[in-house]
Amino acid sequence: DAKTTQPTSMDCAEGRAANLPCNHSTISGNEYVYWYRQIHSQGPQYIIHGLKNNETNEMASLIITEDRKSSTLILPHATLRDTAVYYCIVRVAHGDMRFGAGTRLTVKP
Amino acid sequence: NAGVTQTPKFRVLKTGQSMTLLCAQDMNHEYMYWYRQDPGMGLRLIHYSVGEGTTAKGEVPDGYNVSRLKKQNFLLGLESAAPSQTSVYFCASSYLGLADYNEQFFGPGTRLTVL
Repeated sequence: DAKTTQPTSMDCAEGRAANLPCNHSTISGNEYVYWYRQIHSQGPQYIIHGLKNNETNEMASLIITEDRKSSTLILPHATLRDTAVYYCIVRVAHGDMRFGAGTRLTVKP
Repeated sequence: NAGVTQTPKFRVLKTGQSMTLLCAQDMNHEYMYWYRQDPGMGLRLIHYSVGEGTTAKGEVPDGYNVSRLKKQNFLLGLESAAPSQTSVYFCASSYLGLADYNEQFFGPGTRLTVL
């Protein structure tokens, strides 16, 4: 599976959009991009995933570049409860999912 | 539905002791996983199972064994605990649905300390 690179940490003002980048320059054509987050010491929570097209759900939007070498997770109106570690993962199929260190997002009042 | 539950929530072991962590899910998921998370680090996959009676090694399998005798349960065993196995252990499950959809549902974690 392709490796990902994420910033170690980011800050965002409450109510503003949080844009979390992820580089996956070695992604293969059949690999998907998944985003999870982990709030404090809880188990990770699925956010969104995509292959080529941009995706949106009730939690976030996922923007994937045309060459698929990078993506951005967007939380449109960040709240204090969105403070968490966000993981970007690329993988091909069920089973093995590798979590990196992620980005620690801090939403500030 | 309880989702994914883990037993116990906390445990302290002495070096060399053995124990089994239990993961149970009530969502009829085919896939189940065991991860460990060390302080300040991301999750690392220990073992996983794609169905009842089958298991496979993940990224860091050494020192652990697993069993999936029933679809709803996935057991993680430590035969001879070592201080390096002090960690938080997360179990997860997912269903075999659409080819690209693999939302993993996580349990609350088990905090294990080996002295």
